[in-house]
Amino acid sequence: SQELEQSPQSLIVQEGKNLTINCTSSKTLYGLYWYKQKYGEGLIFLMMLQKGGEEKSHEKITAKLDEKKQQSSLHITASQPSHAGIYLCGADNTGTASKLTFGTGTRLQVTL
Amino acid sequence: DTAVSQTPKYLVTQMGNDKSIKCEQNLGHDTMYWYKQDSKKFLKIMFSYNNKELIINETVPNRFSPKSPDKAHLNLHINSLELGDSAVYFCASSPGEGGGTDTQYFGPGTRLTVL
Repeated sequence: SQELEQSPQSLIVQEGKNLTINCTSSKTLYGLYWYKQKYGEGLIFLMMLQKGGEEKSHEKITAKLDEKKQQSSLHITASQPSHAGIYLCGADNTGTASKLTFGTGTRLQVTL
Repeated sequence: DTAVSQTPKYLVTQMGNDKSIKCEQNLGHDTMYWYKQDSKKFLKIMFSYNNKELIINETVPNRFSPKSPDKAHLNLHINSLELGDSAVYFCASSPGEGGGTDTQYFGPGTRLTVL
């Protein structure tokens, strides 16, 4: 099994709907990074969570960290076609952030 | 201005050839990385350099050799290319030595296809 599991693997939502992507680590989480990847492009940094219970928002994207459950969730409110892409979570399991372990990604499609 | 750039963006080559991918960052960061993303989109770290010194070297075949001429550049040289090397290779950089709040910024990727 993967050290970092993301769910769902793929998601199709109608424009305007809300959605949540989950990321669960099998190891202690010292930090959790969320990235977005568009097809054929690099990874765009979204946000980083470090403390248990921490919640961050950027525009319509909110991420939370549950340190005890070793889990993070990414929530998108009122999805738009521009939100489409692959969302990747990266875990710092060493406390140094120099070696991130990535999940397999969640492919999001937003339909009109 | 591009923060982390990679060249080439696409690379198609024959099995057995030797090729290099270049990475440059203009962010003034001290640490640079190479990742490999396979066909299933699984992203895995290969190497990490801090101020031109190797700090992470995952289980990667000896055919892969990173070279850092200065802290703004980290090139990846691959000898005797194999079919399984086909993937997208991402370069990244981060500000510090990898402390708990270090954030990595990624380049656009190089899609390598070995025929």
